[in-house]
Amino acid sequence: QSALTQPPSASGSPGQSVTISCTGTSSDIGAYNYVSWYQQHPGKAPKLIISEVSKRPSGVPDRFSGSKSGNTASLTISGLQAEDEADYYCCSFAGSRNVFGGGTKLTVL
Amino acid sequence: QVQLVQSGPEVTEPGASVRVSCWTSGYTFTTAGYGFSWVRQAPGQGLEWMGWTRVDNGNTIYAQKFQGRVTMTTDISTSTAYMELRRLRSDDTAVYYCARDPGASVFDIWGQGTMVTVSS
Repeated sequence: QSALTQPPSASGSPGQSVTISCTGTSSDIGAYNYVSWYQQHPGKAPKLIISEVSKRPSGVPDRFSGSKSGNTASLTISGLQAEDEADYYCCSFAGSRNVFGGGTKLTVL
Repeated sequence: QVQLVQSGPEVTEPGASVRVSCWTSGYTFTTAGYGFSWVRQAPGQGLEWMGWTRVDNGNTIYAQKFQGRVTMTTDISTSTAYMELRRLRSDDTAVYYCARDPGASVFDIWGQGTMVTVSS
């Protein structure tokens, strides 16, 4: 039961845009539009920022957006702000189970 | 507002069992289709999905890795979810989170986490 593949790190300057990829297989990301993204600050619980590939929960800034193509999902953060520095995790339904990505540490330079 | 409050830290020995509680408030616990997923995070590591239990019909799905060692339940009378992990090993040391799961791999509200330390 392999985890989804994310880059371990990403970075950008304030105001810039950054995209984090999440690669799975035809049994998870490629099979379902059930990809979610979570933001986790150090010592805190994760927070849902994107559900069902591209839906933004109430209260999440529209700077956060999600998409999917084939077996790869992506999270884009535009207009980077200092408070966006955190770990980001993708998650996909995989037919009776869920699987997380390994996480990406985002640094705002 | 919706809140999930978990039980306190646990220190236990290899071979023992631990039960983590997750008290909920601010919504109807028995909303059709809603359940709880449990997710753990070892020190310095990523998130790992352990399984899911649905409130209205008691259905459960466990990740293959934990089958036979984990039991997830809910108590409607107290609006509480529980996760019991048995035959603990040192590599079970982690923060354990409960998360409300309305389906579609969406974990929309999380508890604060419970640190479980397994050490002899």
